[in-house]
Amino acid sequence: AQSVTQLGSHVSVSEGALVLLRCNYSSSVPPYLFWYVQYPNQGLQLLLKYTTGATLVKGINGFEAEFKKSETSFHLTKPSAHMSDAAEYFCAVSLTTSGTYKYIFGTGTRLKVLA
Amino acid sequence: NAGVTQTPKFQVLKTGQSMTLQCAQDMNHEYMSWYRQDPGMGLRLIHYSVGAGITDQGEVPNGYNVSRSTTEDFPLRLLSAAPSQTSVYFCATREQGAGNQPQHFGDGTRLSIL
Repeated sequence: AQSVTQLGSHVSVSEGALVLLRCNYSSSVPPYLFWYVQYPNQGLQLLLKYTTGATLVKGINGFEAEFKKSETSFHLTKPSAHMSDAAEYFCAVSLTTSGTYKYIFGTGTRLKVLA
Repeated sequence: NAGVTQTPKFQVLKTGQSMTLQCAQDMNHEYMSWYRQDPGMGLRLIHYSVGAGITDQGEVPNGYNVSRSTTEDFPLRLLSAAPSQTSVYFCATREQGAGNQPQHFGDGTRLSIL
């Protein structure tokens, strides 16, 4: 069965430090891949997506992610954390079953940024 | 341009009561879906629709009904609320047939069942 795994339900980093949020997927074919961010009491907002082409994808707010097919991974990074990055982050894949695309979400990683 | 609008934002119900969560979109997207978000479980798909008059079950459909009479609206009905349905509910839309397109989310409805 297809699935998405986010390692670490909670991640803490110091302000200015590297942010690394991990996402692995299982699928028989490469899916479309997404990262979303959720701030308190809000819905999910798209950070970035990988569909085809360049495997290093840049998103909003200085985030980027690299699709590694051999590792079935799509880890999210940011060189320098800012206090405003504190939020919950979700990795998602889009897969087709019977001709309809469905999303599968990971369980989320809550990022805490320490002053 | 409002995007995806969910009402109400908060609701408290008693066990056995019924209610409808509203979702409206102005992006002319064919695909609409309902998710519930529970701590540690991510988002789980309840029902989805690929166009007016067409709906289908997702991962956790029991206890919920949907209908889609227009492109714009996709209400979610709880016929007899249970405490296990306490959750945050999100409506999302995207272009139909475009798996490489992101979903657009509403701000959610926070529902408590006593």
